[in-house]
Amino acid sequence: GQSLEQPSEVTAVEGAIVQINCTYQTSGFYGLSWYQQHDGGAPTFLSYNGLDGLEETGRFSSFLSRSDSYGYLLLQELQMKDSASYFCAVRPLNQGGKLIFGQGTELSVKP
Amino acid sequence: DTAVSQTPKYLVTQMGNDKSIKCEQNLGHDTMYWYKQDSKKFLKIMFSYNNKELIINETVPNRFSPKSPDKAHLNLHINSLELGDSAVYFCASSQGVPGTEAFFGQGTRLTVV
Repeated sequence: GQSLEQPSEVTAVEGAIVQINCTYQTSGFYGLSWYQQHDGGAPTFLSYNGLDGLEETGRFSSFLSRSDSYGYLLLQELQMKDSASYFCAVRPLNQGGKLIFGQGTELSVKP
Repeated sequence: DTAVSQTPKYLVTQMGNDKSIKCEQNLGHDTMYWYKQDSKKFLKIMFSYNNKELIINETVPNRFSPKSPDKAHLNLHINSLELGDSAVYFCASSQGVPGTEAFFGQGTRLTVV
C-alpha cells in the first residue's frame, strides 16, 4: 500500500521561506506531485518530481529523494495569498493514474 | 472556458434519498476520476475511468455508481444517502500519463441531513 505523511500545520510570515516535508511509504510510484487548495476551492497542480532532485517553478521548488522516501515543497517570498492547504501525492505504478494524497498541510501566512 | 466542470456546487438532501453529480471535461483527457474529501480535508480516490471504462474502484459501497457515457463525461449517482456520505466530491481528469497534472472540478459539497 501507500501512505504519505505531512505536517498538519505550518505558520510563517510574509516574505519568509517555508518548507513542507512529505515522507512516504509506497511500493512503487511514477513521481511525487504537489497540489495547492484554497478554502472552498479545488486542488490545483503546483509541481511534479519524476526524478530525484530539485524542480523550480517561480517562487515554488520541489524536491524528491527516492532513496530517503522523502520530498518537500519550498515556498519562497511568501505572500498572504499562499495561505492554503498543500498536498503531496504519488501516482502508484499501474494503478490507472490515480493519485494517493497525503493528509495535507495547512499553511498560514501572517503579515 | 472551464476545463473540468461539475454540477451542482452544493447539494443538501435527506437521508435515504438518491442524488446525482455530473462532471464534464473539455481538455480531451482520456482518464477521469472521482475523489472524496472529508471534513478533515483528506482526499481519497473513489473511481477512475479510462476511455469510458472503469479501471479503479476503491472499495466504494455499491450505493455509489459512476457512469461514463463518453470520455468527456463522468457522472456519479448515489443511492440511499447516509449521513456519512456528507463530504466534498471532486471530479478530476488527466491524460493518464505519469507526470501530467490532474485537473480538478470545483467540487460538490454534499450535505446529508
